[in-house]
Amino acid sequence: DAGVIQSPRHEVTEMGQEVTLRCKPISGHDYLFWYRQTMMRGLELLIYFNNNVPIDDSGMPEDRFSAKMPNASFSTLKIQPSEPRDSAVYFCASSSQGTDYGYTFGSGTRLTVV
Amino acid sequence: QKEVEQNSGPLSVPEGAIASLNCTYSDRGSQSFFWYRQYSGKSPELIMFIYSNGDKEDGRFTAQLNKASQYVSLLIRDSQPSDSATYLCAVKVPLGSGYALNFGKGTSLLVTP
Repeated sequence: DAGVIQSPRHEVTEMGQEVTLRCKPISGHDYLFWYRQTMMRGLELLIYFNNNVPIDDSGMPEDRFSAKMPNASFSTLKIQPSEPRDSAVYFCASSSQGTDYGYTFGSGTRLTVV
Repeated sequence: QKEVEQNSGPLSVPEGAIASLNCTYSDRGSQSFFWYRQYSGKSPELIMFIYSNGDKEDGRFTAQLNKASQYVSLLIRDSQPSDSATYLCAVKVPLGSGYALNFGKGTSLLVTP
């Protein structure tokens, strides 16, 4: 099993540019979560999906953030336009039984907006 | 806002000692609790989960849960330098029509040779 795959590993972009982060969950997992991690705020849940359907997006900070899951094997998190305060590590995680046995995290995308 | 609180540390223990990591949570109705380990620059990895009051052991790790006191802890016996990492406590919380994990900010553990 290849685990949860995220791309890119690192992204440096200029303020105002569009950024797209990608995630491939573990095959057979029907839950997908997007988290953001900073030193100040720790791990924050942004949005989660069940069977490709967004269930809760109350953690998405602003309308500049959007997420999609067009099929069971792919999800994107888009920031448009990006701002320096969006700089963080963005993690995708997946699970097969909701939260009952925890999640498996991807390796993360370190985003730097300059 | 359902809070999960951890001492940020760093907690420093000598090699071979017992490391004790603590976590408190605000939602008295919480039922499921998780400990993750995160090495610097890496992603969180699940160590253990616990649902029932009392102790749960897995190798050198023991999770302890006291729902009345809203307290969960992780003990690491015979600590090794390779255990040096940040340990994240997480609590299952209702969110939307389902559940998600709410994480504490983590406790940094340093095991010195």
